Amino acid sequence: GQNIDQPTEMTATEGAIVQINCTYQTSGFNGLFWYQQHAGEAPTFLSYNVLDGLEEKGRFSSFLSRSKGYSYLLLKELQMKDSASYLCAVREDSTLTFGKGTMLLVSP
Amino acid sequence: DAGVTQSPTHLIKTRGQQVTLRCSPISGHKSVSWYQQVLGQGPQFIFQYYEKEERGRGNFPDRFSARQFPNYSSELNVNALLLGDSALYLCASSSEGRGNGYTFGSGTRLTVV
Repeated sequence: GQNIDQPTEMTATEGAIVQINCTYQTSGFNGLFWYQQHAGEAPTFLSYNVLDGLEEKGRFSSFLSRSKGYSYLLLKELQMKDSASYLCAVREDSTLTFGKGTMLLVSP
Repeated sequence: DAGVTQSPTHLIKTRGQQVTLRCSPISGHKSVSWYQQVLGQGPQFIFQYYEKEERGRGNFPDRFSARQFPNYSSELNVNALLLGDSALYLCASSSEGRGNGYTFGSGTRLTVV
């Protein structure tokens, strides 16, 4: 079966670093995506990993270990506007299977 | 450049009615996917179309159907609406290639009463 797990909620302080973990068990794998979604809005693309290792893009980094079925999204220098839901999604063939999302609350 | 556009943005329907949601992909994108997002959950895959052909279908009843037109726009139809169909319906477009990301539209918020 398909299973993607990520924490339901996380809290952090402005300026801090937070790591959001994602574990997956899927029948196929063609890459892992992270999306950010503010309440009532569309998911916006953050990162894509298909090979093991770390991908860095500004304040955001994403890591993948295919053998462990594990990924994390690292957010540095947190800002209030980073308060949002973060979605982990695995691509199988040409479709995305999403986790339930991690609601991140950044406080002053 | 216009992103993925969806219409309408909000919709209220009564149980048993039918609804049609529309999506226009990014210019040049030939693939359109539909997702249902219930409050507090991640999006769930419904359909994918590429070059007017259905490429994938999620675990949804036959009340859900879709099609893609020659200009690559798409419609999602839901018949015999149930209260549980209340959700945000997202359309995503992508260009060919495994490494390409999916760009989502702002969605249609459907409320069934």
